[in-house]
Amino acid sequence: KAGVTQTPRYLIKTRGQQVTLSCSPISGHRSVSWYQQTPGQGLQFLFEYFSETQRNKGNFPGRFSGRQFSNSRSEMNVSTLELGDSALYLCASSLVQTNPPGELFFGEGSRLTVL
Amino acid sequence: QQPVQSPQAVILREGEDAVINCSSSKALYSVHWYRQKHGEAPIFLMILLKGGEQKGHDKISASFNEKKQQSSLYLTASQLSYSGTYFCGTFGGNKLTFGTGTQLKVEL
Repeated sequence: KAGVTQTPRYLIKTRGQQVTLSCSPISGHRSVSWYQQTPGQGLQFLFEYFSETQRNKGNFPGRFSGRQFSNSRSEMNVSTLELGDSALYLCASSLVQTNPPGELFFGEGSRLTVL
Repeated sequence: QQPVQSPQAVILREGEDAVINCSSSKALYSVHWYRQKHGEAPIFLMILLKGGEQKGHDKISASFNEKKQQSSLYLTASQLSYSGTYFCGTFGGNKLTFGTGTQLKVEL
């Protein structure tokens, strides 16, 4: 069965631009969460979606937003890019949303470079 | 608040043992361990729920002491394939928060 697919894998943007990243979860998985990974901060939680609803949100500014579609695919958007937004953005899916969450299946990420 | 992992980095010779620690200033409900190899997606190792249980995954095991708000990951007789960055995640406030990771390198 196909894993979590993230597109694009690499992209370069300039400050002030916006970017949209896409995540296709494992077939049948309904929960999608997003993480920002940087060398000094590790994995920082951005948000989690389940059945098209945002269930949880991390401590990121409003420039970071996301959504989930009826087929569970998810997108995240970053507007007015800043140099500090350069990072690897990871998407993870799981079968259902539970507390605590079960096994997360991560994609290989989208590496964003902001110049 | 992020859990704190120690050590930040460790180098082992094949066959040696290692311990990676994860501690939190907040009460923990569960601890989650993942490993990420360079350029790859993080993969799930195990989840520990409060109750002081210990779990194992091949020669990798972990313990969870909820009173001390700590978890430790034990790697026994390390193999080259164990190299990577290990992340612990703690669940609280409906969020899974990961530490900054421990880089582990196993050499011949």
